[in-house]
Amino acid sequence: NAGVTQTPKFRVLKTGQSMTLLCAQDMNHEYMYWYRQDPGMGLRLIHYSVGEGTTAKGEVPDGYNVSRLKKQNFLLGLESAAPSQTSVYFCASSYKDQPQHFGDGTRLSIL
Amino acid sequence: AQKVTQAQTEISVVEKEDVTLDCVYETRDTTYYLFWYKQPPSGELVFLIRRNSFDEQNEISGRYSWNFQKSTSSFNFTITASQVVDSAVYFCALSESKNTGGFKTIFGAGTRLFVKA
Repeated sequence: NAGVTQTPKFRVLKTGQSMTLLCAQDMNHEYMYWYRQDPGMGLRLIHYSVGEGTTAKGEVPDGYNVSRLKKQNFLLGLESAAPSQTSVYFCASSYKDQPQHFGDGTRLSIL
Repeated sequence: AQKVTQAQTEISVVEKEDVTLDCVYETRDTTYYLFWYKQPPSGELVFLIRRNSFDEQNEISGRYSWNFQKSTSSFNFTITASQVVDSAVYFCALSESKNTGGFKTIFGAGTRLFVKA
């Protein structure tokens, strides 16, 4: 019962470094999402995808890129990390308007 | 514009008290979906309930109940006889369909509930 799996779980980066967060789901969901969670601000949508090969911007897309080359995977990239991107990142997947299934989160610190 | 407001940042109650978490939303769509999620101290996000905009029936699930009122754009969540295990951050969310396809979901800032023994 893997559900939604995020890797890595923790990461510390230096300003300017790049990295990719991986999200994998095994529920055959069409829709996938990336959120960031910051204290007092809830979950904010970064990018989302409604199917393989498609992506769309959410509320806070700047500084991030995404790719959905395979239906089960949704990658979130930071090309040049900034301290403002220190956050907890959650990936989720869903079937259309049904409830989202979330991964356990990735705690990212940028120094 | 799509917006979800959870005005209560933190609530503290004593075990066995009833508590209501407020959620007010804004949307221009006639078809939309409302959700509540729970985030316990361990950090995972747990789905609690989904409501579509055409179903205003209140729902009860054990000690949990939800009151959906379109007239006031509110979707409030009540925990009856609260327990320590209810301590968590609770998020209300609104999902609308987009012209580009898919459903865009906006979350409220969350309400942190402390239940003291």
